[in-house]
Amino acid sequence: QVTLKESGPVLVKPTETLTLTCTVSGFSLSTPGMGVTWVRQPPGQALEWLGHIFSNDATFYSTSLRTRLTISKDTSRSRVVLTLTNVDPVDTATYFCARKTRDKDAFDVWGPGTLVTVSS
Amino acid sequence: EVVLTQSPATLSLSPGDRATLSCRASQSVETYLAWYQQKPGQAPRLLIHGATNRATGIPDRFSGSGSGTDFTLTISSLEPEDFAVYYCQQRTGGQFSFGPGARVEFK
Repeated sequence: QVTLKESGPVLVKPTETLTLTCTVSGFSLSTPGMGVTWVRQPPGQALEWLGHIFSNDATFYSTSLRTRLTISKDTSRSRVVLTLTNVDPVDTATYFCARKTRDKDAFDVWGPGTLVTVSS
Repeated sequence: EVVLTQSPATLSLSPGDRATLSCRASQSVETYLAWYQQKPGQAPRLLIHGATNRATGIPDRFSGSGSGTDFTLTISSLEPEDFAVYYCQQRTGGQFSFGPGARVEFK
């Protein structure tokens, strides 16, 4: 069974760095064409794509966040890590990770999401 | 950067009605277009990928069409569990983006 699960802090102060981990099971991050993406959703708002990492470690980021966002992975531990620097209250959102396989340009399995609040 | 717009923003319908949701891209995305359903407090669920392909386990009342810049998600006969928010999503090169969403609500 394929699962993804996000973990990390619930509350982060403005200007701090947010680090979230996506732990996956049921598939390998090293399988050719496999990838994990991060998406966030502020309360009551739409989905926003943040960035993506492929099995070959290639990364792509949203234009609006690329100066603050880094995505990396630890294949041996089945983890993908999102790091967002210099957070602001507008970064308050539920953060999701999701899987993309080689055969689809879409995200077929999602984690349940984790709500992160940025506040002093 | 490809921008997706969805119309209408809200559809007020009854169970058994046909729902037609539109998604327009600011430039051609060929058929790299997907649709998701999201209910409150839940993660999105993939419905359609490649513009027309139903994801695993998705009922055949859901269908997708279109290519280039204009796409449609059709729900042929609404079931009570279909009242939710629907998002389209595209891929261009290594960039992805979502539309603003469209809500299907009870009339």
